[in-house]
Amino acid sequence: QVQLVQSGSELKKPGASVKVSCKASGYTFSDCAMNWVRQAPGQGLEWMGWINTNTGNPTYAQGFTGRFVFSLDTSVSTAYLQISSLKAEDTAVYYCARDARYYDTTDYWGQGTLVTVSS
Amino acid sequence: QTVVTQEPSLTVSPGGTVTLTCASSTGAVTSDYYPNWFQQKPGQAPRALIYSTSHKHSWTPARFSGSLLGGKAALTLSGVQPEDEAEYYCLLYYGGARVFGGGTKLTVL
Repeated sequence: QVQLVQSGSELKKPGASVKVSCKASGYTFSDCAMNWVRQAPGQGLEWMGWINTNTGNPTYAQGFTGRFVFSLDTSVSTAYLQISSLKAEDTAVYYCARDARYYDTTDYWGQGTLVTVSS
Repeated sequence: QTVVTQEPSLTVSPGGTVTLTCASSTGAVTSDYYPNWFQQKPGQAPRALIYSTSHKHSWTPARFSGSLLGGKAALTLSGVQPEDEAEYYCLLYYGGARVFGGGTKLTVL
């Protein structure tokens, strides 16, 4: 069965960096693109962008350029989200979500990773 | 900046029917926006319900249906169950970009 398992919660100081992982299993990793979605406390979902798991080419949504980097390690079927120069407003749950292979939808989601930025 | 608008909150009685809508600031929503709907319960990850306007995932209960209604995407719940109380988000595709709606908090009362 398809599973996306994300790394655990992180507590970081402003200005630091964080790297969130999303390990996929149950399917061929390169068949399906991976999305990243942010949810600030008590707020809605924000689509951050996606990464082509074949080419490694990332696409970033408006507002998520510069400090946000999507990457892959295909040898371990894992996608990564790195955020640098962390700010308090980056405090959120970050989800990875797989694009379905043949349809325009994200069908499977990770459990989410809480990143807290506080001094 | 494209904005996708949903009703902030709706209330429905158990066994009733409710329709949630999803509008785009760019104009009428069509099937070309591939409307998707997601359900999120407190403390849980979102769960995909509907894609490409009206297609259900294998796990989507039959009481959920998607459509286009009056220039908006719509999610209709028929025969609402107490466990349907949740936040519902639509997602629209704009070429290479995607935008979530602000979410609708559905209360079953």
